[in-house]
Amino acid sequence: DAGVIQSPRHEVTEMGQEVTLRCKPISGHNSLFWYRQTMMRGLELLIYFNNNVPIDDSGMPEDRFSAKMPNASFSTLKIQPSEPRDSAVYFCASSTLTGIDEQFFGPGTRLTVL
Amino acid sequence: AQTVTQSQPEMSVQEAETVTLSCTYDTSESDYYLFWYKQPPSRQMILVIRQEAYKQQNATENRFSVNFQKAAKSFSLKISDSQLGDAAMYFCAYIRRSQGNLIFGKGTKLSVKP
Repeated sequence: DAGVIQSPRHEVTEMGQEVTLRCKPISGHNSLFWYRQTMMRGLELLIYFNNNVPIDDSGMPEDRFSAKMPNASFSTLKIQPSEPRDSAVYFCASSTLTGIDEQFFGPGTRLTVL
Repeated sequence: AQTVTQSQPEMSVQEAETVTLSCTYDTSESDYYLFWYKQPPSRQMILVIRQEAYKQQNATENRFSVNFQKAAKSFSLKISDSQLGDAAMYFCAYIRRSQGNLIFGKGTKLSVKP
């Protein structure tokens, strides 16, 4: 298995632009998670899905952030408009439905907003 | 709210020696899981070891073992025969069975000296 796939690996954009991060979970995994990692706040859960349905989005910082999972093999995290404080590494992870088994992480997307 | 605390921002160990990384957590739940994840400079998150709270026996994976003290809410990681490849950030994480999101500590940066 190729593991969790994220794209792009690096993204540099200017403040105010729309940014879309993409994730393909491991086939057969029913839970998908989006995390953000910063020096100040560490690793934080933004949102997670079970069977393509958002379960907990309490970590989404504000309305500028949105996430979708149109099918079992694809998810997006969108930031519109982006701000410099959104600069971080964004991880996607997937696991079996229960979520208590190992979460397999993607390589992350390093986002820089100028 | 559940919290995870790693009190050692940085640790250092001599190659082939043993090092212990500390982690404490706070929860009122009885059914949960604890993890140690490793993040090398490549930033890929890799599961090191997993412990179910209902199991009294400490988990072991090759050179990695944990000391799980449920009453004290302590979950330390012991790395034996340290290798240069063990140099990384190590994150302790907690998950409650009824939820899907991992709660991470701030991490401990481990250096291995040749």
